[in-house]
Amino acid sequence: DAGVIQSPRHEVTEMGQEVTLRCKPISGHDYLFWYRQTMMRGLELLIYFNNNVPIDDSGMPEDRFSAKMPNASFSTLKIQPSEPRDSAVYFCASRPGIHPNYGYTFGSGTRLTVV
Amino acid sequence: AQTVTQSQPEMSVQEAETVTLSCTYDTSESDYYLFWYKQPPSRQMILVIRQEAYKQQNATENRFSVNFQKAAKSFSLKISDSQLGDAAMYFCAYRSAKNGNYKLSFGAGTTVTVRA
Repeated sequence: DAGVIQSPRHEVTEMGQEVTLRCKPISGHDYLFWYRQTMMRGLELLIYFNNNVPIDDSGMPEDRFSAKMPNASFSTLKIQPSEPRDSAVYFCASRPGIHPNYGYTFGSGTRLTVV
Repeated sequence: AQTVTQSQPEMSVQEAETVTLSCTYDTSESDYYLFWYKQPPSRQMILVIRQEAYKQQNATENRFSVNFQKAAKSFSLKISDSQLGDAAMYFCAYRSAKNGNYKLSFGAGTTVTVRA
């Protein structure tokens, strides 16, 4: 298995632009998570899905952020409009629904820089 | 909400020596899972070791072992025979065992440097 695949690996965009981050979870994993990592706030859970349905989006910072999972093999995190304070590393992770002690498998992350 | 505290921002260890990273957590639950993740400069988050709260036996994975003290809400990671490849940031994480709750809460991390 290729693991959790995220794209792009790096993204530089101008303030006000729309940015879309992409994630392909491991096949067969029922849960998908989006995390944000910053120096100031560490790793924060933004949203997670179970069987493509959003379960908890309480970590989404504001309406500029939206996430979708149209099918079991693809998810997007969109920021519109982007702001410099959105600069961070965004991680996608997945896990299977069974095996409750199973940890997450993370992707390599997308480093977003908003200038 | 559960909080995870890693009180050591940085730790340094001589190659082949042992280093212990501390982690404490706050919870009112009796059943939960604890994890240590490693994040090397490549920024990939790698699961190092996991522990179920209902198990008294401390988990071990090769050179990595934990000291789980449930009453003290403490979950330290010991890295034995440290290698240069162990240099990374290490995160402690907590997850409730409540059905349907799959949130992982992370500590702030501890940066480990290994001296040759």
